[in-house]
Amino acid sequence: EAQVTQNPRYLITVTGKKLTVTCSQNMNHEYMSWYRQDPGLGLRQIYYSMNVEVTDKGDVPEGYKVSRKEKRNFPLILESPSPNQTSLYFCASSLYPTRGQPQHFGDGTRLSIL
Amino acid sequence: AQSVTQLGSHVSVSEGALVLLRCNYSSSVPPYLFWYVQYPNQGLQLLLKYTTGATLVKGINGFEAEFKKSETSFHLTKPSAHMSDAAEYFCAVSPSWPQGSSNTGKLIFGQGTTLQVKP
Repeated sequence: EAQVTQNPRYLITVTGKKLTVTCSQNMNHEYMSWYRQDPGLGLRQIYYSMNVEVTDKGDVPEGYKVSRKEKRNFPLILESPSPNQTSLYFCASSLYPTRGQPQHFGDGTRLSIL
Repeated sequence: AQSVTQLGSHVSVSEGALVLLRCNYSSSVPPYLFWYVQYPNQGLQLLLKYTTGATLVKGINGFEAEFKKSETSFHLTKPSAHMSDAAEYFCAVSPSWPQGSSNTGKLIFGQGTTLQVKP
């Protein structure tokens, strides 16, 4: 089954404790992206990757890092999480988003930073 | 810069009634247009999309949307609401011009509309 898989689904942690949210897709998509969803704001892009070893900032990149060493994986790293990063996070992938192909989303990771 | 506005953060309809969720976009060039649905504790699922061609597009679960360039709108409709349609709906756009520094494949989302269906 074609899917985007995120782990963990839920995480409660404390300020400053490094964490990684993993994302994996099995559709051989070149494009992958991370979004955060906050009430009343919709989803906003954090980082994206056009291909392996190619990553770039989205609209809200502060406090986040990503890496793309393999096509299927695109982990999101919070080196020193803060309470304002409490949010619902989604990973997405697409074949050719710049040509109108849709993005496929994972089920989300709900992070609470205390 | 592109933006998306969804009119009404909450919409309530009776089962069997027409569903109309409004979406307007701001863009100098007509973008690619999408509607996604989010059920509780799940990710976003694509309902339908418009890229080119026929302006009335049909999606899954009986939903459809019409692209109206003159009104910069892409409203979502369903003739008869079902209880299972209760969810949050997001309108999103992405640039339709060639890939480059101003087209990174990013989806720009509206604020979302929560649809409540009353029995």
